[in-house]
Amino acid sequence: NAGVMQNPRHLVRRRGQEARLRCSPMKGHSHVYWYRQLPEEGLKFMVYLQKENIIDESGMPKERFSAEFPKEGPSILRIQQVVRGDSAAYFCASSPYMDSNQPQHFGDGTRLSIL
Amino acid sequence: AQSVTQLDSQVPVFEEAPVELRCNYSSSVSVYLFWYVQYPNQGLQLLLKYLSGSTLVKGINGFEAEFNKSQTSFHLRKPSVHISDTAEYFCAVSDRNQGGKLIFGQGTELSVKP
Repeated sequence: NAGVMQNPRHLVRRRGQEARLRCSPMKGHSHVYWYRQLPEEGLKFMVYLQKENIIDESGMPKERFSAEFPKEGPSILRIQQVVRGDSAAYFCASSPYMDSNQPQHFGDGTRLSIL
Repeated sequence: AQSVTQLDSQVPVFEEAPVELRCNYSSSVSVYLFWYVQYPNQGLQLLLKYLSGSTLVKGINGFEAEFNKSQTSFHLRKPSVHISDTAEYFCAVSDRNQGGKLIFGQGTELSVKP
């Protein structure tokens, strides 16, 4: 399967714990986007990364959230000290170029539940 | 800031009937427009896109959309729906001057009944 791979598919955490969400882009894609989908809402942009660079993090909450896309390995979205309001589906998308006309290919998402 | 409005949160329709899902975006100098479909517990799949040229765009699964610059709309249509079209549909825009990030509408839940 050469598509965008996200893991885990489901993640349960207790309040105060850390959540790590992983995304492997499609083969040949070096641009990764993270989106959050709250219940009954559309997707909201969080962050846009290229290998080893954060290009646009205008949608990231100011605290507790961070993202990286290292030279080797998957992109990681990290949420520290999770709270109930972090419960959502988190989607990763990838594209081959830094061009706004390139369709993004989406993974199946990670559904994060906070107890 | 760019925004997208999908006017209907839910659209129930009978099988083989035509359907239109409405989408309006805020005015911008130049945008690219997309429709995505999301089946339960899955990611988003691209249905079609408008980049430039002909304002009528044809996509997968028999869907098409028409770009109307004067009305800032990009409505999605299908002449005859199937049960398998039941899903959530998202309209999205990408501003040419802001990299590739997508701004999504709230989504329209299409429910096709036999």
